[in-house]
Formats: sequence, C-alpha cells, structure tokens
Amino acid sequence: SQTIHQWPATLVQPVGSPLSLECTVEGTSNPNLYWYRQAAGRGLQLLFYSVGIGQISSEVPQNLSASRPQDRQFILSSKKLLLSDSGFYLCAFTGAYEQYFGPGTRLTVT
Amino acid sequence: DAKTTQPPSMDCAEGRAANLPCNHSTISGNEYVYWYRQIHSQGPQYIIHGLKNNETNEMASLIITEDRKSSTLILPHATLRDTAVYYCIVRANNAGNMLTFGGGTRLMVKP
Repeated sequence: SQTIHQWPATLVQPVGSPLSLECTVEGTSNPNLYWYRQAAGRGLQLLFYSVGIGQISSEVPQNLSASRPQDRQFILSSKKLLLSDSGFYLCAFTGAYEQYFGPGTRLTVT
Repeated sequence: DAKTTQPPSMDCAEGRAANLPCNHSTISGNEYVYWYRQIHSQGPQYIIHGLKNNETNEMASLIITEDRKSSTLILPHATLRDTAVYYCIVRANNAGNMLTFGGGTRLMVKP
C-alpha cells in the first residue's frame, strides 16, 4: 500500500536558523511530489512540486527551497528562517486521481 | 483552475445529513470537481470527485448541477468525527495534478 512519511512532527526553531524537513513515500514509483504550507487559520498554499528526481518547480517566491535527491524523497530547506515561515508544512503525492497528504510538520519560528 | 465559492462555516446535528454547497460558475468543460476535508492538525483527506454525473462512495455523495456551475457534497449521516474544514476544488486532470485550495467550509457537527 502507498504511504507517506514526514518528520519531524513538530519543530521549534529560532529566527535565522536553518531548516530541513524530509518527506518519503512508499508503495509507488516516480510520484509527483508536493510541498504545501498552511499558516495559522489559513488555507493551504502550494510551495513546490516535483515530477521527477532533480526536477523542482516553485510556485511562490520565498526563502525556502526544495530538493528531490531520490525518486521517493522530497526535502524542504531554508538557510535562514524568518518568523513568517511558521506554519503547518504538508507533503503530498499523487495517486490515481487524488493527492495523498502526509501527517505534516508544525514549525514554529521564534 | 476555476475559482470556487463556499460558505465559511456550517453547523449540522449529529446523525443528520450535512449538505455542503460549492459554486464554480467559471468551470471549464474538462475540469473535475474534487472534495477534500481537513480535520484539525491533520493533512487533507480526499473524499470524492466527479465530472458531470452524480457520484457516491463510502464517505459521501456528490451532486453536480446539470450546468456544472455548482455542486453539493452530502454526508448522509454526519458524526462528530466529520467535524472538519471541507474544500471544494475544480481542476483539469492535465493540470499537473496540482490542487488550489480556497478557504473551504468549516463544518461543525453538534451532538
């Protein structure tokens, strides 16, 4: 069966510190992968998507970046976090016709 | 993707049907209507989708008007666990499978 993992579940980081969030998918090959962010009380915003290894498209300009070093691994990074980077980060992949979302990482930048 | 309009919030009594409306008056002929829901502090969960015919699965029913400009998601017997934000999204299947989430409807199921 297809599963998606994200870690860590929660994270508290100071302003200016680096960030690395990891997402892995099991049970599927060459999936489309996505990173979304949800600010408190807001809807989901698509940040990045990838259709293959090394292929990253950015939807919103920001101080975040994404990488896909392996087929089923998607990483969200930042060199220096801002207060506005706080939020709920969700990774997703595409099934036959729907998207499956991971459990999310709640990031608080202090 | 076409824009959707949903009421920001709705209440429903436990055990009654919950009918969640969505307007998508600018929908194109090749765009599907998708419904997802997000329970607090979890990732969104796919519920159902359709093109022009009504659809039903184990979770819900989707009623799409003949002109396709609006639809209704029906939860036939709402439970407390159905309390969530429900998102209506229209998307063409050739749009890279990207989803554009709006504000959704916050459904509160009350005992």
